[in-house]
Amino acid sequence: QKEVEQNSGPLSVPEGAIASLNCTYSDRVSQSFFWYRQYSGKSPELIMSIYSNGDKEDGRFTAQLNKASQYVSLLIRDSQPSDSATYLCAVRRRGYSTLTFGKGTMLLVSP
Amino acid sequence: DGGITQSPKYLFRKEGQNVTLSCEQNLNHDAMYWYRQDPGQGLRLIYYSQIVNDFQKGDIAEGYSVSREKKESFPLTVTSAQKNPTAFYLCASSIDAAGRGLSYNEQFFGPGTRLTVL
Repeated sequence: QKEVEQNSGPLSVPEGAIASLNCTYSDRVSQSFFWYRQYSGKSPELIMSIYSNGDKEDGRFTAQLNKASQYVSLLIRDSQPSDSATYLCAVRRRGYSTLTFGKGTMLLVSP
Repeated sequence: DGGITQSPKYLFRKEGQNVTLSCEQNLNHDAMYWYRQDPGQGLRLIYYSQIVNDFQKGDIAEGYSVSREKKESFPLTVTSAQKNPTAFYLCASSIDAAGRGLSYNEQFFGPGTRLTVL
């Protein structure tokens, strides 16, 4: 069973702080990693993808990948109340088109 | 306007009925997917298709059927055999990364259909 694990939360941070969301995966041949944001009652929206070890930055978001330790994280700098959502981690195994999703971490940013 | 559309947004089904959920994309993507999401759960894969006239079962295919007669369309039928169909159904599409030997496979989602059994 290939698994993707996330802390369900909620993770509560004050406005302006850095939110750190973590994800671990069990399949060592995982190749591609994605973070989706899902507002309540809405569909997931892709916010970051990362394919190689290290950091990838896009605006206030930074994705970090460590394949040796099998974890991927998402940092949100200067968190805003509008960032309050559930963040889903997804992993693709090499040679496959499908993704395996974690159950998501709920983030709450208080004003 | 490029994107993925799903209809209807809300659907109510009586016990014993089959219902079909529509998914259309104009992104020229090869692959399309159907997921189910239950409260507090992640997304679970029902069916996927990498090419027209071909599709594969996902993790929870029992009680569902699909067709892929056109590249743009991937309808999902929820049959009466599906014991607990009330859920949020999400359609997604992507390029066929595995088939093309590519490392990236960004999936994009439609707005979803919320199905309730009465």
